[in-house]
Amino acid sequence: NAGVTQTPKFQVLKTGQSMTLQCAQDMNHEYMSWYRQDPGMGLRLIHYSVGAGITDQGEVPNGYNVSRSTTEDFPLRLLSAAPSQTSVYFCASRPGTTPSRGGPLHFGNGTRLTVT
Amino acid sequence: GNSVTQMEGPVTLSEEAFLTINCTYTATGYPSLFWYVQYPGEGLQLLLKATKADDKGSNKGFEATYRKETTSFHLEKGSVQVSDSAVYFCALSENSGYALNFGKGTSLLVTP
Repeated sequence: NAGVTQTPKFQVLKTGQSMTLQCAQDMNHEYMSWYRQDPGMGLRLIHYSVGAGITDQGEVPNGYNVSRSTTEDFPLRLLSAAPSQTSVYFCASRPGTTPSRGGPLHFGNGTRLTVT
Repeated sequence: GNSVTQMEGPVTLSEEAFLTINCTYTATGYPSLFWYVQYPGEGLQLLLKATKADDKGSNKGFEATYRKETTSFHLEKGSVQVSDSAVYFCALSENSGYALNFGKGTSLLVTP
């Protein structure tokens, strides 16, 4: 009964380093997405995918890459970390694709990233 | 574009008090509206939703009614408990779109 699993829980990077935030779901959900949560800003959509091989940009995609080679996994890559990317990152998945007709978003517990 | 505006927090209430968290929205079409809740250290969970005007969503004693005339979806609960302390997010989605647009969140603290 894992749901959405994010790893790692915490990460500290130096400016310019790269890393991948992992996200896996075991519910066979078509839709997966990445959000960042910043104080006073709420959640902002970075990238999303409506199925394996299909990805699209959200509100704040710059500095992030994604791929969706399988239904289960949706990793988020930071190619060259910047202090502005310090945030809490949430992966979320949903059965179906559209929010109104699909089920609710299922969130992971987040990855807290600090870039120094 | 689409956007959601929530009342700023933090909101502090005594146990058994009445809760209202205001949410208004701007959308080009006829969106679906949602309330999500985030407990400390966790991801968000869907609390309730409404997909058309005049619909009322309800769950765990919380209610919200989709008011098209005032473009609002205010969250209410008649008697809050300490366990309701969390951050509450209002969100909307166009029915033909994929993404959810979240408000900035309202922090609620309920004291015994």
